[in-house]
Amino acid sequence: QSVLTQPPSVSGAPGQRVTISCTGSSSNVGADFDVHWYQQLPGTAPKLLIFGSSHRPSGVPDRFSGSKSGTSASLAITGLQAEDEADYYCQSYDTSLSLVVFGGGTKLTVL
Amino acid sequence: QVQLQESGPGLVKPSETLSLTCTVSGGSISSNDWSWIRQPPGKGLEWIGFIYYNGRTTYNPSLKSRVAISVDTSKSQFSLKLTSVTAADTAIYYCARRGAFGSDSLFISWGQGNMVTVSS
Repeated sequence: QSVLTQPPSVSGAPGQRVTISCTGSSSNVGADFDVHWYQQLPGTAPKLLIFGSSHRPSGVPDRFSGSKSGTSASLAITGLQAEDEADYYCQSYDTSLSLVVFGGGTKLTVL
Repeated sequence: QVQLQESGPGLVKPSETLSLTCTVSGGSISSNDWSWIRQPPGKGLEWIGFIYYNGRTTYNPSLKSRVAISVDTSKSQFSLKLTSVTAADTAIYYCARRGAFGSDSLFISWGQGNMVTVSS
């Protein structure tokens, strides 16, 4: 069981909008620690997608956006493309566990 | 652009020590912080530990008794040692560059990963 909870899978048709949730608790996301998101394309290493809950590194398309509220965070992808098919992970820090924590990952399927 | 490349054996026997090295290029190893993360086959990501620019280390409490991360600035490399391995340590091991957003840690760039299987 991951400290941060993500849905195992989401799907959407090309051009649609999908969201991926990341639910934590008062000892991590709710404790004002930021959430960061990573994209892992099949057979490759993860890549930083969103940092500080809502900031995009240079080179990441603005189709990707992040938000955080309370003990949860979300990643939104608009204008879905086939190349977005990947696993997505959220990450934060848990002060009770003294541990960098990841969500269990969400597999995005583009229909 | 900082690039990272893991190297090390792909097969380790149970009870032995797993040793991996990450070679850093395109940036200064001594002015950055570094990390190891692993991913069991078909599963999610697990943080192993950090080594900071000043040599200080922090580790995942669940691995702390078995893990050590060190740096060799002369070779622009940092290393992971994990002792007394079992099949549960079978995973892809990634090295990564730690970034900071405020006081938060994140992983700015990653190596391509090194698959390590623990088996006799």
